[in-house]
Amino acid sequence: AQTVTQSQPEMSVQEAETVTLSCTYDTSESDYYLFWYKQPPSRQMILVIRQEAYKQQNATENRFSVNFQKAAKSFSLKISDSQLGDAAMYFCAYRGRSYNQGGKLIFGQGTELSVKP
Amino acid sequence: AAGVIQSPRHLIKEKRETATLKCYPIPRHDTVYWYQQGPGQDPQFLISFYEKMQSDKGSIPDRFSAQQFSDYHSELNMSSLELGDSALYFCASSLGGLGTEAFFGQGTRLTVV
Repeated sequence: AQTVTQSQPEMSVQEAETVTLSCTYDTSESDYYLFWYKQPPSRQMILVIRQEAYKQQNATENRFSVNFQKAAKSFSLKISDSQLGDAAMYFCAYRGRSYNQGGKLIFGQGTELSVKP
Repeated sequence: AAGVIQSPRHLIKEKRETATLKCYPIPRHDTVYWYQQGPGQDPQFLISFYEKMQSDKGSIPDRFSAQQFSDYHSELNMSSLELGDSALYFCASSLGGLGTEAFFGQGTRLTVV
């Protein structure tokens, strides 16, 4: 079975600084998706960034980028120029691409990010 | 752009009562997923439907049932509610059973008292 692990329950960053959130996963599949979701106090699940496993290039979305290490099964999120609005719970998630996995998301435990002004 | 609509947004029920949660996917999306997020926990997959057929099943209690209707909306029925069922219930939809991205609704917060 696939698992996702986030070993940092809480992280803190100074406004305008850079922070990296860690995520490791376990799977026997070779093709899958990895995601980072943001959940602010409103509890809405917001997609931050997506990585397709067959792509070697790390995904980037504005201030958000990932470091995808497929062999190490590591998928970290880097937030540059942190803003107060980045404060939220961040979930790493895995999604298989084979039909027997059904397309469901498997989430990590989450990392609560606080941003200090 | 149209998003995933969940209703109601908030629901308060007593123990042993029944609750029905509704999910209206993004137009043309044919796949619906249900997740349960307890307080301080990550979302847990409950069940999914593709083209009105159940496609996958997770840790869904036998007291819960769900279906997807001809217009692709889905309902999660929860009976004999327990205090531990208090949680945020998310619905997500995607295009195709293995669509690249699933879009989440705003969730239904169920409180069982």
